[in-house]
Amino acid sequence: GQQLNQSPQSMFIQEGEDVSMNCTSSSIFNTWLWYKQDPGEGPVLLIALYKAGELTSNGRLTAQFGITRKDSFLNISASIPSDVGIYFCAGPITNSNSGYALNFGKGTSLLVTP
Amino acid sequence: KAGVTQTPRYLIKTRGQQVTLSCSPISGHRSVSWYQQTPGQGLQFLFEYFSETQRNKGNFPGRFSGRQFSNSRSEMNVSTLELGDSALYLCASSLAGRGDTQYFGPGTRLTVL
Repeated sequence: GQQLNQSPQSMFIQEGEDVSMNCTSSSIFNTWLWYKQDPGEGPVLLIALYKAGELTSNGRLTAQFGITRKDSFLNISASIPSDVGIYFCAGPITNSNSGYALNFGKGTSLLVTP
Repeated sequence: KAGVTQTPRYLIKTRGQQVTLSCSPISGHRSVSWYQQTPGQGLQFLFEYFSETQRNKGNFPGRFSGRQFSNSRSEMNVSTLELGDSALYLCASSLAGRGDTQYFGPGTRLTVL
């Protein structure tokens, strides 16, 4: 299947530090998505990438669609305590159906100390 | 605009029972997808409904089923519950699926004893 390998599994950093996480796949993706999940909530879309090489920012977050289309990176600059949560990469599952579904990485758990 | 709502938020059942979970999508959204989230397997796609039809299905046994009503509200049912069915069940809605942004609800936490 289209397994997404996300790393690191967890990160423990100090407020103000920059964070970098990545996601790789053995299959090509045409879309890369990055979600954040807070405790007790569902995932929230942070950034969507649609083109190889694309670099997109959302405030302090920046994500890139790898040129091989098999990887993506998410960077968070100047982390703050509210960045705590689990970050997931995701991409569409490709199959012969006309429907739509997402394949998720296992997540990167981020802890930020003041 | 109200977000995706899921009821109930928490459920405790015993093995062998069956359970029905409900999801109300964002107004105007016609696609509803269900995902199972566990610590071991992460987020896994269950199925997607659009206009009352199941349009896509993940790799789950037939004990997992769902349906969608004419108002786009969706339910999923799990019969003959097993301990391994304990999970957070997430519902996501989008305008029409197919690349539209999926908005997730807070989930239903199911515990099977």
